[in-house]
Amino acid sequence: NAGVTQTPKFQVLKTGQSMTLQCAQDMNHNSMYWYRQDPGMGLRLIYYSASEGTTDKGEVPNGYNVSRLNKREFSLRLESAAPSQTSVYFCATNRVAGELFFGEGSRLTVL
Amino acid sequence: GDSVTQMEGPVTLSEEAFLTINCTYTATGYPSLFWYVQYPGEGLQLLLKATKADDKGSNKGFEATYRKETTSFHLEKGSVQVSDSAVYFCALSLRSNDYKLSFGAGTTVTVRA
Repeated sequence: NAGVTQTPKFQVLKTGQSMTLQCAQDMNHNSMYWYRQDPGMGLRLIYYSASEGTTDKGEVPNGYNVSRLNKREFSLRLESAAPSQTSVYFCATNRVAGELFFGEGSRLTVL
Repeated sequence: GDSVTQMEGPVTLSEEAFLTINCTYTATGYPSLFWYVQYPGEGLQLLLKATKADDKGSNKGFEATYRKETTSFHLEKGSVQVSDSAVYFCALSLRSNDYKLSFGAGTTVTVRA
């Protein structure tokens, strides 16, 4: 039982390049989330999806897009990466209110 | 807005010492409160939770009590081990915000043998 799987785990981009972070869950949960983690700032919600076919902005959505491809998969896309998007990104799913299951994270560096 | 404030770290302790990490919250309504832990190189995992005033959450020797009168949810452990070295996050969720989590900044704890 893999839980929440994120790919890639590490990525280095140049400013202006694009990339997609993939997230897949095998827990049959409806809700999925993308967070970013930056030193001293905790985790900030980028986008979330309450169910298949729906997505909503979180606290810091600018510069990102998401796709809820199906119940299992929720991808995060950076269309034109900027150094300010250097961060660790976490995907999570929700079993019950507030109880999230997280992936291991994707460390992104934008030069 | 709704928010969580944690004591700043880093915190360095010796094995078997007593650990307290302070957490206070600001919320309109009655939040559920959580502590998450992040071990090195891993994602966050739920450590404990409390959903109403005076509830005590406990797990792995850690405890936290939901104090409505002081809007606090301090994390405690009586005797820490090296394996407790991690980053600890306090968080809240509200029904009015679709139960999305708001996290504190995190407190890094290092336990030395």
